[in-house]
Amino acid sequence: EDQVTQSPEALRLQEGESSSLNCSYTVSGLRGLFWYRQDPGKGPEFLFTLYSAGEEKEKERLKATLTKKESFLHITAPKPEDSATYLCAVHQETSGSRLTFGEGTQLTVNP
Amino acid sequence: ETGVTQTPRHLVMGMTNKKSLKCEQHLGHNAMYWYKQSAKKPLELMFVYNFKEQTENNSVPSRFSPECPNSSHLFLHLHTLQPEDSALYLCASSQDLVRREQYFGPGTRLTVT
Repeated sequence: EDQVTQSPEALRLQEGESSSLNCSYTVSGLRGLFWYRQDPGKGPEFLFTLYSAGEEKEKERLKATLTKKESFLHITAPKPEDSATYLCAVHQETSGSRLTFGEGTQLTVNP
Repeated sequence: ETGVTQTPRHLVMGMTNKKSLKCEQHLGHNAMYWYKQSAKKPLELMFVYNFKEQTENNSVPSRFSPECPNSSHLFLHLHTLQPEDSALYLCASSQDLVRREQYFGPGTRLTVT
């Protein structure tokens, strides 16, 4: 069965303490992997799309990387405003229009 | 207005009521989506529309009825819902079904009493 698993479920960091979030997937024929940020009571905000192993994308303190089995979202020197739930989703060849989402990692950055 | 807007933001309805959720996108996209987000569960795709035509129904109960009059507007008509239908309902749009970056609205928090 196709799966997207995010870890950890929750992560607490001190301001400035760099870390990584993981998204592992078991799908056939990956067509794209997406990262979103979701603040409480709001819709997900698109961050990155990765298409092939080895690809990297950066935006401010965030950097996303992709291998054949997983993706990492690296957060460098996080600030309290980076606190949010980070969602990973994959699009595969056989899924039609569907993105398969993970359950998310809830990140809290303390000042 | 920019991006994807949804109204209402909050809705409380009884099990016998009929209500509608509205979504409008100002991005010039051609594909629109309805998702359900429940606590501690991944986003669940409900419906997909591409150029006003429904392309996917993810086995959604008939008490949820979507309508897409044009590429900018999407509705979700609700009737005789159950308490377990209480959730955040999210609308999203993308350029088309090939370019999959989906942009989400703020959602409608629905409570069924």
